[in-house]
Amino acid sequence: DAGITQSPRHKVTETGTPVTLRCHQTENHRYMYWYRQDPGHGLRLIHYSYGVKDTDKGEVSDGYSVSRSKTEDFLLTLESATSSQTSVYFCAISRTSGNNEQFFGPGTRLTVL
Amino acid sequence: QKEVEQNSGPLSVPEGAIASLNCTYSDRGSQSFFWYRQYSGKSPELIMSIYSNGDKEDGRFTAQLNKASQYVSLLIRDSQPSDSATYLCAVGIIQGAQKLVFGQGTRLTINP
Repeated sequence: DAGITQSPRHKVTETGTPVTLRCHQTENHRYMYWYRQDPGHGLRLIHYSYGVKDTDKGEVSDGYSVSRSKTEDFLLTLESATSSQTSVYFCAISRTSGNNEQFFGPGTRLTVL
Repeated sequence: QKEVEQNSGPLSVPEGAIASLNCTYSDRGSQSFFWYRQYSGKSPELIMSIYSNGDKEDGRFTAQLNKASQYVSLLIRDSQPSDSATYLCAVGIIQGAQKLVFGQGTRLTINP
């Protein structure tokens, strides 16, 4: 258990509303990641962070923003949710620099109507 | 071109047999390779990491890496029904921060 929690675990929202997903870790890891998982696409990286206030885009970052004001929290925001953002969102951490191993949180299932 | 390719399956194997899962990747400079297991409705779980050419064994699991052929595989010996899951191959990419690229996953079913 990598000490990762995600909230909420399930959310249903309407098109055009803002949504924020939270990832919380208890072990002070430097690297944190947000992925989305969709049938036929596998896991795709949205954004990642390599320290407090240090973030960068992944391969599917359009429509998403992130913030990391504390080591333990990494927030993913959908400014104006669209139906194409219906997905399962996973947060991950990487424990040490150099070996690339990532460990995943339990996931958030988001439905945009 | 997708960077990490897996046969999406489904792959069906009888209980007790060897299950073989394959993955190819396009970035010749990749140095780290991983296999994750994901049960339906659950998050991915890291089961194997491999960094150098050859075989790495852990219990019933063996990961095999061939960097020249850009190929990584996972063998599951004495397959059990509890091994039924989707297996994700992931490759570490060299772009500053640590990042992984995932394949689509192979769905494995072990038949009793």
